[in-house]
Amino acid sequence: DQQVKQNSPSLSVQEGRISILNCDYTNSMFDYFLWYKKYPAEGPTFLISISSIKDKNEDGRFTVFLNKSAKHLSLHIVPSQPGDSAVYFCAAIYSGNTPLVFGKGTRLSVIA
Amino acid sequence: DSGVTQTPKHLITATGQRVTLRCSPRSGDLSVYWYQQSLDQGLQFLIHYYNGEERAKGNILERFSAQQFPDLHSELNLSSLELGDSALYFCASSVDPSGFYEQYFGPGTRLTVT
Repeated sequence: DQQVKQNSPSLSVQEGRISILNCDYTNSMFDYFLWYKKYPAEGPTFLISISSIKDKNEDGRFTVFLNKSAKHLSLHIVPSQPGDSAVYFCAAIYSGNTPLVFGKGTRLSVIA
Repeated sequence: DSGVTQTPKHLITATGQRVTLRCSPRSGDLSVYWYQQSLDQGLQFLIHYYNGEERAKGNILERFSAQQFPDLHSELNLSSLELGDSALYFCASSVDPSGFYEQYFGPGTRLTVT
């Protein structure tokens, strides 16, 4: 049973517009959420995270929103740039359990 | 460059064989994690070592084993290989065992079993 779900395998957005990547989770014990970005032939790189005590975290063009009641988080990229084209993984963790639980990823294509 | 190195980058082998994947964590990181990414799948956690000791096990098959050595590098051993073991294997490291600190990933080893 997938505890972290990214239901959109792919997303295409025009350069300069907003990209919104979504992630749903089923385990209410998760208390920390992360987004990783992956380019081809490279390992995932950490992008941004959010604790369950917050509902928003911002870092430059990247903002993550957390809706605990809906067990949903989203990553907003504004404005989107061609260099943002990559696979984005949502991941979650809960206290006392070390492994990150990853979603299957969403491939973002930013079109110039 | 994350500072995590993995060797080899590519590995092609036959069913039934045994291979060893190697990972060197970032300088100063004591935790090493291994993940498997099969086609169209997310990263599946396999095993976590902290300072030489096993800390957590995920969906790791009995045919797979790992260890972390005193110099903190880690090896993932895959034996009696099957076609379904073909995947990308990532190693990640972090400074502490809690999992809350950022994990830095290596570039991965692509294993192809024929």
